[in-house]
Amino acid sequence: QITLKESGPTLLKPTQTLTLTCNLSGFSLSSSSVGVAWIRQPPGKALEFLALIYWNDDTRYNPSLKNRLTITKDTSKNQVVLIMNTMDPVDTATYYCAHRRGVSGAAFDFWGQGSLVTVSS
Amino acid sequence: QSALTQPPSASGSPGQSVTISCTGTSSDVGAYNYVSWYQQHPGEAPRLMLYEVTKRPSGVPDRFSGSKSGNTASLTVSGLQAEDEADYFCNSYAGGNTYVVFGGGTKLTVL
Repeated sequence: QITLKESGPTLLKPTQTLTLTCNLSGFSLSSSSVGVAWIRQPPGKALEFLALIYWNDDTRYNPSLKNRLTITKDTSKNQVVLIMNTMDPVDTATYYCAHRRGVSGAAFDFWGQGSLVTVSS
Repeated sequence: QSALTQPPSASGSPGQSVTISCTGTSSDVGAYNYVSWYQQHPGEAPRLMLYEVTKRPSGVPDRFSGSKSGNTASLTVSGLQAEDEADYFCNSYAGGNTYVVFGGGTKLTVL
């Protein structure tokens, strides 16, 4: 059974860098066609795609945030890491990691519980 | 402002049907049959309800169905039940540098 779990800081100050880790189980990051994404949701607002990494290290980023984001994976630990720099209060949100379903498209069938990150001075 | 447009709210009485729209462009919804729908109850993570426009993952009731015409996709919930009250989000594969876009979400109220 596939599970994902996010971990990271809950509170950051403006300009600091966010590092979030997604621990995966039930599937391998080295398996063909696997993709894991980061998606965030500000309180009471919509979902927003941030980044995705494929089994072969290919990546996709939200064009409007690309300059601030880095997504990497550690296959040996079955982890995906998201780094987001220059954090601002508007980045306050619940950050989810999610497993992409199938071999194509952008449907996410398994999600972590989410990690609430607050940015405040 | 989200890339895909959804009505902010929808409602229906138990047993009725309700349809929620998701409007994009010829670069996303209109270009690919990769529209997905998610249900989100307060305080919970989103749950995939439909993928590839019409397909239901295992465990999703067949009361949930999807369709697409041009640049607009739709989610229909038939035989509304109290537990269907939730927020619903659509997304679409967009290819290229964009990869995926989400809708702004629709709050479904069961009257």
